[in-house]
Amino acid sequence: RKEVEQDPGPFNVPEGATVAFNCTYSNSASQSFFWYRQDCRKEPKLLMSVYSSGNEDGRFTAQLNRASQYISLLIRDSKLSDSATYLCVVNSAGNTGKLIFGQGTTLQVKP
Amino acid sequence: DAGITQSPRHKVTETGTPVTLRCHQTENHRYMYWYRQDPGHGLRLIHYSYGVKDTDKGEVSDGYSVSRSKTEDFLLTLESATSSQTSVYFCAISAGVGYEQYFGPGTRLTVT
Repeated sequence: RKEVEQDPGPFNVPEGATVAFNCTYSNSASQSFFWYRQDCRKEPKLLMSVYSSGNEDGRFTAQLNRASQYISLLIRDSKLSDSATYLCVVNSAGNTGKLIFGQGTTLQVKP
Repeated sequence: DAGITQSPRHKVTETGTPVTLRCHQTENHRYMYWYRQDPGHGLRLIHYSYGVKDTDKGEVSDGYSVSRSKTEDFLLTLESATSSQTSVYFCAISAGVGYEQYFGPGTRLTVT
């Protein structure tokens, strides 16, 4: 079983749609969770951290369910510019600072 | 944006030649990482550093070595490049354990 699993998609949605991505992780000792965005042939960029209480940043909402070891990202009112690959990221237990990256979910927003 | 640069940005080299990639940061972060990204594999950790002269292996370290003689620089060396090392290499930095990582722009390496 992969340490971080995501549905690779692609998710094809029209502009203005709401889309949700899910991610599961295997290490119950993980403490830090993130969503990154990666555009084609570019470096991953931090989209948002994910907190236990859930957090929102504009059109983006992230949720964490520790009991189910599940993370989600909701994008409302999708824009063409949201088209990218979204990476679910979880820290590796221990003191190495290592992060474990999912393989990503591809989103394509159509006009 | 975090101050991270990578050099070179693109390189084509022949099998068997040594190659060194450089990562430079201006954030004074303690942790630095080297990843490679290939289709179907996502980001895979090669080596990381948790301080000057302190490094450790990641999941795909065979064929690679690293050095960190200064806080700001983290070098990745392919001692004898092979075609399987054709990839995009990303450097990342982090302030500490559990913190987010910030990535450099990447180096596209082709080994012919």
